[in-house]
Amino acid sequence: QKEVEQNSGPLSVPEGAIASLNCTYSDRGSQSFFWYRQYSGKSPELIMFIYSNGDKEDGRFTAQLNKASQYVSLLIRDSQPSDSATYLCAVTGNEKLTFGTGTRLTIIP
Amino acid sequence: DTGVSQNPRHKITKRGQNVTFRCDPISEHNRLYWYRQTLGQGPEFLTYFQNEAQLEKSRLLSDRFSAERPKGSFSTLEIQRTEQGDSAMYLCASSLTGGNEKLFFGSGTQLSVL
Repeated sequence: QKEVEQNSGPLSVPEGAIASLNCTYSDRGSQSFFWYRQYSGKSPELIMFIYSNGDKEDGRFTAQLNKASQYVSLLIRDSQPSDSATYLCAVTGNEKLTFGTGTRLTIIP
Repeated sequence: DTGVSQNPRHKITKRGQNVTFRCDPISEHNRLYWYRQTLGQGPEFLTYFQNEAQLEKSRLLSDRFSAERPKGSFSTLEIQRTEQGDSAMYLCASSLTGGNEKLFFGSGTQLSVL
C-alpha cells in the first residue's frame, strides 16, 4: 500500500464549477497535511495546509481533513482555467513530507 | 526574502560523469530538503539537513549520491558516475523547525543523463 494515494486523473471540470480532489494516507500518526499545486515544468507551490479535523477555507480553496478515515480533500470553488495543474497531496511523517503522485486537473472553458 | 534558489536550472551530462547541484534556502530557514521527481510521479524524499547536520537519508538512495551543507546555509548534492536512471528533476526545499514542515521549493534542477 502506498503511503499517500491520489487518483492520478485527469480530472476535467467546467469553468466556474467546483473541483474536488481526494487523498488517502496510511500513517495514522501523521499530523500535518498539505496541498501543493504544480504547473507543468515548474516546482510545487504550497497552496493549503491543515492540521485539525474539519474544514479550512482560504479564498476559493477549502481543505478538509478526516483523521479517523485517513482522508484529506481539496475543494476549488469557481474553478478558473488558471487552476489547471497537477495537485499534490503531502503528509508529514518523521519530520519530512511524503507526497502522493498527484491529480492532474483540467478546467474546461 | 528571495525564496529558495537552485543552480543550475538544467544539466545535461553523459553517463558516467559526476554532477553537482547547489541549493540556497530561504535565509532564516534551518531545515533543507532534497527531493527527486520523475514525470508523472510525486516528489520522492532523498535527504534532509537541520543546520549543518544531515539527519536522514533515504534508504533508496544509492551511495553514488552525497549531500552536504557545510555551514548550515547552502547545500550541494553530488551524483557520481551518473546513470540514465538518474534523469529527473532534483528539487530543494527549506523550512523552519517547528514550522509544521511547511516546505517551500526552489525551481529545481532538471538533469538529463545521455
